[in-house]
Amino acid sequence: GAVVSQHPSRVICKSGTSVKIECRSLDFQATTMFWYRQFPKQSLMLMATSNEGSKATYEQGVEKDKFLINHASLTLSTLTVTSAHPEDSSFYICSARDSQGNSYEQYFGPGTRLTVT
Amino acid sequence: SQKIEQNSEALNIQEGKTATLTCNYTNYSPAYLQWYRQDPGRGPVFLLLIRENEKEKRKERLKVTFDTTLKQSLFHITASQPADSATYLCALSLNSGYSTLTFGKGTMLLVSP
Repeated sequence: GAVVSQHPSRVICKSGTSVKIECRSLDFQATTMFWYRQFPKQSLMLMATSNEGSKATYEQGVEKDKFLINHASLTLSTLTVTSAHPEDSSFYICSARDSQGNSYEQYFGPGTRLTVT
Repeated sequence: SQKIEQNSEALNIQEGKTATLTCNYTNYSPAYLQWYRQDPGRGPVFLLLIRENEKEKRKERLKVTFDTTLKQSLFHITASQPADSATYLCALSLNSGYSTLTFGKGTMLLVSP
């Protein structure tokens, strides 16, 4: 089946530093990838839609200059949290849509736990 | 405003019983609705999708119903097992094609042996 990986699975960083999270589709090509954030006992909140070769589309209230998204290839999208603050501590999850598959199917990565101290 | 509501309280049931989880929505006209399973510290795993013109969908021990008049979906797990213990999320999509998903908060299911 379609597999999506994320790296790292956990990261701890100091306030003010930047952190990059990678999302890879391992056995399929993904023209579109999605980045979500999930706080404890809350729903997944869509942050942005990442399209290969073009600029990401951000949801209302998500700062594009703080959460930089790069989708440079059909199998890799990266999310960089710049100048991280403790309130950015959360569970970040990506998903990918198979370019050759059904348009509704999204395959989720295992998530990245970010802790900002 | 648009809302997706799932049982906020955890659902505790005995092994072998049928678990029924509810997803209600307001101010949406979804083209389809999906159910996912999420284990602690993990990403969601797709379970079932049901379209707006479908009443019921089954997959092994899972059954989903979709009532667009009541704006409600029910998710059933028959012959539940302790391994079914997880959080179950419903997600709506507004378009039949390329579309983003909007998730509910999920309901935690605990199946006791």
